[in-house]
Amino acid sequence: DAKTTQPPSMDCAEGRAANLPCNHSTISGNEYVYWYRQIHSQGPQYIIHGLKNNETNEMASLIITEDRKSSTLILPHATLRDTAVYYCIVRVVQGAQKLVFGQGTRLTINP
Amino acid sequence: GAVVSQHPSRVICKSGTSVKIECRSLDFQATTMFWYRQFPKQSLMLMATSNEGSKATYEQGVEKDKFLINHASLTLSTLTVTSAHPEDSSFYICSARDGGQNTQYFGPGTRLTVL
Repeated sequence: DAKTTQPPSMDCAEGRAANLPCNHSTISGNEYVYWYRQIHSQGPQYIIHGLKNNETNEMASLIITEDRKSSTLILPHATLRDTAVYYCIVRVVQGAQKLVFGQGTRLTINP
Repeated sequence: GAVVSQHPSRVICKSGTSVKIECRSLDFQATTMFWYRQFPKQSLMLMATSNEGSKATYEQGVEKDKFLINHASLTLSTLTVTSAHPEDSSFYICSARDGGQNTQYFGPGTRLTVL
């Protein structure tokens, strides 16, 4: 699976949109982009995933560039409860299907 | 989203004892489950992939005789840490793959402390 690069940490003001970038320049055509987050001392929580089209659900939006080499997770109105480590993972849908976690981005939402 | 449970949520045991951790998918069937370990201030590390009805596949460096995995049904996988030692103290997290959605969902984790 392709490797991803994320900034180690980010800050965002409560109520503002949080935009978390992820680079995956070696992504293959059959690899999806998945986003998970982990709040302290809990298991990771699935947020969203996509292949090449932008995706939106009740938690977030995922914007994938046309060349698919990078993506951005958007939390439209961040709250204090969104403080967590956010992981961007690239994975093929078929095959071993295991998720390999990098270091992620530690997002801190400030009041 | 789908729900995955783990039991117990935390356990403290003496060195040399064995500890069993259960992982259950509550509202979907999971042919594949995964076990991760996470040390403080580190990311999750995959230990093994558990397939229902067959032997687990272990990642490099993970001792299969120490970390016994059983995936006896489509909703239950167990991880047994045998002869636990203080260095096995960690946060153990399972995930289950919902084939219908092609997404993995994670349990809340089990914090193991070996004295």
